[in-house]
Amino acid sequence: QKEVEQNSGPLSVPEGAIASLNCTYSDRGSQSFFWYRQYSGKSPELIMFIYSNGDKEDGRFTAQLNKASQYVSLLIRDSQPSDSATYLCAVRDNYGQNFVFGPGTRLSVLP
Amino acid sequence: DTEVTQTPKHLVMGMTNKKSLKCEQHMGHRAMYWYKQKAKKPPELMFVYSYEKLSINESVPSRFSPECPNSSLLNLHLHALQPEDSALYLCASSLRDRDNQPQHFGDGTRLSIL
Repeated sequence: QKEVEQNSGPLSVPEGAIASLNCTYSDRGSQSFFWYRQYSGKSPELIMFIYSNGDKEDGRFTAQLNKASQYVSLLIRDSQPSDSATYLCAVRDNYGQNFVFGPGTRLSVLP
Repeated sequence: DTEVTQTPKHLVMGMTNKKSLKCEQHMGHRAMYWYKQKAKKPPELMFVYSYEKLSINESVPSRFSPECPNSSLLNLHLHALQPEDSALYLCASSLRDRDNQPQHFGDGTRLSIL
């Protein structure tokens, strides 16, 4: 069974700090990786996606992928209270089967 | 606001009622999805439509009946639901099924079964 694991949190960081969110996956054939942010009572919002090993940066967000170690991470620089949300990691395999979501990590940025 | 539009935003219904959830996208996406999400849990896939054909049904009870009238619209017909079916129902779309493109979610319909 394909599994995606995340620490459930809550992960608390002070405002202005770097928040580091991690995700591991069991299917070595996974090819595409997605990070979604979900505010309480709202729908998931796409933050980043990454396909290749290494880093991908978009503003304050950096996704990091290491396929050999089967993990993907999301770094949020200069964290703001508005970043407080649940972050969902989703993984798709090389057959393009549908997303497997991790359980999500709750991030709390303290002012 | 997202480019995937879901109506209604909230729905309260009794166990004997029949209602429908609607989803619409005009991004030219050919894959559309229904998810169910309970509080503090990740979304659970229910159905996948690819080019207007049902490609995946994740063993969903028959009281949920999906329909894809055309490439822009997706419906979920509800009948004789149970209290445990109360949840946030999310529609999503992607360019195609079975590729590496992200899914884009609508705002969801919050469903309460009395």
